[in-house]
Parts: sequence; C-alpha cells; structure tokens
Amino acid sequence: DTAVSQTPKYLVTQMGNDKSIKCEQNLGHDTMYWYKQDSKKFLKIMFSYNNKELIINETVPNRFSPKSPDKAHLNLHINSLELGDSAVYFCASSQGGGSTDTQYFGPGTRLTVL
Amino acid sequence: GNSVTQMEGPVTLSEEAFLTINCTYTATGYPSLFWYVQYPGEGLQLLLKATKADDKGSNKGFEATYRKETTSFHLEKGSVQVSDSAVYFCALGDTGRRALTFGSGTRLQVQP
Repeated sequence: DTAVSQTPKYLVTQMGNDKSIKCEQNLGHDTMYWYKQDSKKFLKIMFSYNNKELIINETVPNRFSPKSPDKAHLNLHINSLELGDSAVYFCASSQGGGSTDTQYFGPGTRLTVL
Repeated sequence: GNSVTQMEGPVTLSEEAFLTINCTYTATGYPSLFWYVQYPGEGLQLLLKATKADDKGSNKGFEATYRKETTSFHLEKGSVQVSDSAVYFCALGDTGRRALTFGSGTRLQVQP
C-alpha cells in the first residue's frame, strides 16, 4: 500500500502552460504539505493544509495554487509555467502539524519546463 | 528565523568506515530535530528523530543526539555500507510553524 502517492512522476511542459500535480495520502493524516526541491537538492516548504484549511503559504508566486478537496488530497496547480519552476515537488503528510510529528513524503514529481 | 546548517558534501567513504555528518541549528524555543534520507530517485524517509534535549534517536545503526548546549544534531554510524549511499537531510520542526526547515542535504557515497 502506498502511503503518500503523487501523479504524475514526471512532467515535461512548455513555458506558459498550466499544469497540475495530484497528491493523495491513505494514512488518515490531518495535515498535508507541498515542498519544492531545487537542482541543488535544497528543500523548502511551499504550503501546508490542516483538515482542508490553509495553514502555511510561504512566499510563493500567485501562479501556484493548492487545492484540498478533502483531507486525503492536496493538489497543486501551476499557471503560466516559467523556466524557474523546474524542480522536484514533494507532497507530504503528518498526523498533526506539531513539531514532533513525522512527515511522510511522496515519491516526488519532477517538473521540467522547456 | 529558523535555520539548519549541514556540512557540505559529497562525503566519500569506504565500506565499514565511520560516518559523521554534522548538523547545527538556529531556532527559538524547543524544536524537534530529524534526520531524513533520500535514496536515488525516491522521496524522503524518516531515519531518526529526537524531540527534546539529550534525547538520542537511532535507527538502522545510525544515531544522533540532541545537544542543546551546542545546538547540534550530528549523525553517526559506526560502519557504513554501500547501501547507505544517499542524500541525508537534517531538519527542524518548531512548535509554531507546522513545517520542517531543512538543511541543504549531504550526499554520502560509500565505495566497496
């Protein structure tokens, strides 16, 4: 059973397009996250949702819009893709959003913008 | 704000060598500390964690001790294997922010 799954695994697209990445967790967790990993492997939080409510919205361009239709899903929609958006995007979840909670990560979506 | 500093990689070791990956942090309050590992082409997996000062986290032969006085959480393993080759991330979870702050990652390469 896959705990945190993401689709697609790879996404290659042209500049200016709009794309979505989907994330689902079957762990019954309350909190979900999106992280961006750049080419140097640096990981940074983008968004966090708790029970479908936005908790964290870091300084991410408005072109990025997360949507949580229910507690088990957190999708990421990106408008007007730019070259700098090329990265690996990881979804994660945790039972609560506390500092001691372990976060469980999906396999990542490698986005390449041409 | 919070930050995590890890030693630069890559770290290249021979099999059965001793491993240390340094990690120091800056945070207010009493954060929790984590080590995550990322194998090639995969997502991150929790390796170990410690939630208060002097706690020692351990798993698969790896261990790290939460040292508040030196604000450190160094990762150690007595005898590395080729299968330990991966990128290791030190991370901090603080009570107010509901997200992890990661270090820059350290790539470990173990040669047979």
